[in-house]
Amino acid sequence: DAGVIQSPRHEVTEMGQEVTLRCKPISGHDYLFWYRQTMMRGLELLIYFNNNVPIDDSGMPEDRFSAKMPNASFSTLKIQPSEPRDSAVYFCASSSLRDRHEKLFFGSGTQLSVL
Amino acid sequence: SQQGEEDPQALSIQEGENATMNCSYKTSINNLQWYRQNSGRGLVHLILIRSNEREKHSGRLRVTLDTSKKSSSLLITASRAADTASYFCATLGTSYGKLTFGQGTILTVHP
Repeated sequence: DAGVIQSPRHEVTEMGQEVTLRCKPISGHDYLFWYRQTMMRGLELLIYFNNNVPIDDSGMPEDRFSAKMPNASFSTLKIQPSEPRDSAVYFCASSSLRDRHEKLFFGSGTQLSVL
Repeated sequence: SQQGEEDPQALSIQEGENATMNCSYKTSINNLQWYRQNSGRGLVHLILIRSNEREKHSGRLRVTLDTSKKSSSLLITASRAADTASYFCATLGTSYGKLTFGQGTILTVHP
């Protein structure tokens, strides 16, 4: 089992540019979560999906943020346009009915720096 | 918003000593979990305790839960340098599958 795979590991971009973060959940997991981690705010849940359908996007900070899950093995988080305050580590996590959806498996994260 | 508040924010101990971290939360929960995060890595699940349980053990980990005080503690016994990491509590409330994380405790274990 390869675990949750995120790409890229690091992204440096300039303010105003579009940023796309990618996630491949663990095969067979039917919940997918996007979290953002900063020193000031800790880990914040942005959005989560069940069976590719967004369930709760109340954590998405602004309309500049959007997330999609076109199929069970792929999700994207897009920021357009990006701003310096979006700099953070973005984590994707997945969970499975086998674990009663109680335990999250995290990817290694994408370190985003917006200059 | 953050559900869990952890205490202390940072803890520095010598190898072989025990480390205790505390977590308080605000609303009713189904379960409480602890995760570890090594520097530059994602979070890894350590242990889960359900709302009807008071204590649970897993190897060198012992977690307690007091729902009347809305608090939990994680004890790591006989700590090792490899235990150096950030530790987060996370609560599962009424929203199925949705975990809310605390701010974390940074544990440093000196060899």
